[in-house]
Amino acid sequence: KAGVTQTPRYLIKTRGQQVTLSCSPISGHRSVSWYQQTPGQGLQFLFEYFSETQRNKGNFPGRFSGRQFSNSRSEMNVSTLELGDSALYLCASTLGPTSYEQYFGPGTRLTVT
Amino acid sequence: EDQVTQSPEALRLQEGESSSLNCSYTVSGLRGLFWYRQDPGKGPEFLFTLYSAGEEKEKERLKATLTKKESFLHITAPKPEDSATYLCAVRGYTSGTYKYIFGTGTRLKVLA
Repeated sequence: KAGVTQTPRYLIKTRGQQVTLSCSPISGHRSVSWYQQTPGQGLQFLFEYFSETQRNKGNFPGRFSGRQFSNSRSEMNVSTLELGDSALYLCASTLGPTSYEQYFGPGTRLTVT
Repeated sequence: EDQVTQSPEALRLQEGESSSLNCSYTVSGLRGLFWYRQDPGKGPEFLFTLYSAGEEKEKERLKATLTKKESFLHITAPKPEDSATYLCAVRGYTSGTYKYIFGTGTRLKVLA
């Protein structure tokens, strides 16, 4: 059974640009969550999607947004990039909103210069 | 404030030297406590879910336990391949929303 896949794996962007990251969950999984991981802050929850609807949201500015498609694939967008957005962005999937065991992808390493 | 604190931050063990990692938490509406293993450059790998105080789960050399305020990950006779960062997380309900809160992890190094 294929795991969670994320694309691209590495990305370099310039301040002020925007970026879109993609996540394909494990087959049959319908919930997708996004996290930002940095050395200083650890993993911080961004948002969670189920059935194309954002169900829960962390404490990040509106520059961070996401969406989920009917096939459960999800995208995350960051607009007006700042240097502090450099991080590993992780996607995790679960079967559904009442299943809490998350399975993570390998992440997208974003560097903002 | 909801938070998860892990200790120690780093731990070096000799192969075969058993030890425990600690995760203390404060969260509203606990919906589960989770342990993950993360290797460098990779996403976290799910290990255990614990839902209620007194619950225990085992997998190979690892055993996770849960009380009302903390969880322990016991590592029995570790091997070098157990070297990784171990993350603890809780799912809680706060301010009308569910969210996962992660600790900053314990970096474990097992020496041959």
